[in-house]
Amino acid sequence: EVQLLESGGSLVQPGESLRLSCAASGFTFRNYAMSWVRQAPGMGLEWLSGIGDSGVTTFYADSVRGRFTISRDNSNNRLYLQMANLRAEDTAMYYCVKDDNKYGDPNFFDNWGQGTRVTVSS
Amino acid sequence: SALTQPASVSGSPGQSITISCTGTSSDVGAYNFVSWYQQHPGKAPKLIIFNVNNRPSGVSNRFFGSKSGNTASLTIPILQAEDEADYYCSSYTSSSTLRFGGGTKLTVL
Repeated sequence: EVQLLESGGSLVQPGESLRLSCAASGFTFRNYAMSWVRQAPGMGLEWLSGIGDSGVTTFYADSVRGRFTISRDNSNNRLYLQMANLRAEDTAMYYCVKDDNKYGDPNFFDNWGQGTRVTVSS
Repeated sequence: SALTQPASVSGSPGQSITISCTGTSSDVGAYNFVSWYQQHPGKAPKLIIFNVNNRPSGVSNRFFGSKSGNTASLTIPILQAEDEADYYCSSYTSSSTLRFGGGTKLTVL
C-alpha cells in the first residue's frame, strides 16, 4: 500500500523559512516523479512544484518559483519542499503527491498524503 | 489562473450530472492530460479520472470523462448520495506546469 506522510508544517511569521518533508513507502520511490500541491483554507487546489525520478529535473509554478525549492533523497525515500520568505498567502494545507510517471513535469497524481498545515501569521 | 469550473452543481439520486472544465489552447485543448479529483470534506483529494477518460483501478465505473476542444467534462450518469463532494479538474500546460480548476461543489438533493 502506498503511503505518503508529510511533516514539518507549523505556524511561522512572515518572511521566515520552513522545510516540509514527505516520507514515502509502499512503492519504488526512485522510479516516480513527485509533486507538492497546496490548498488554502476553503479554497481550491494549487500545484506548486514537481521533481523527476532522479531529482535532476524540477518544475515550479510561477507563484513560488524563486522562493520554494523541491528536492528528494532517493536513498531514504523522502521528498522535501524548502520554502523561503513566507507570506500570509502561503497559508495552506500542503500535500505530497505521487505522479504516475518518472519525468517530473506534472500529469496526474494517483496517490496523496494527508497533508501538513502551514500557517503564516504575525 | 485556474481552469474554469461551475462553483456548484446539484442533482437528485439517480439523475445525471455533468461538470465542465474550460481551459485554453495551451492546456486542455493542447493535451489529453486532463484529470479529475474527488475531495470529501476534511479528506485528501482522490484521483477518479486521468488522461481525459481513464479510470484508475478501484474507482467506480459511474464516473466518465470526456473532452471537446478547450473544455473537458466529468459526467456521473446515475448520481448516488456518496458522490456529494468537491470535484477538481486539472490539465498539463504548455509551460510544463499543471493547472487545477477552481473546484465544483456537487450536492446530492
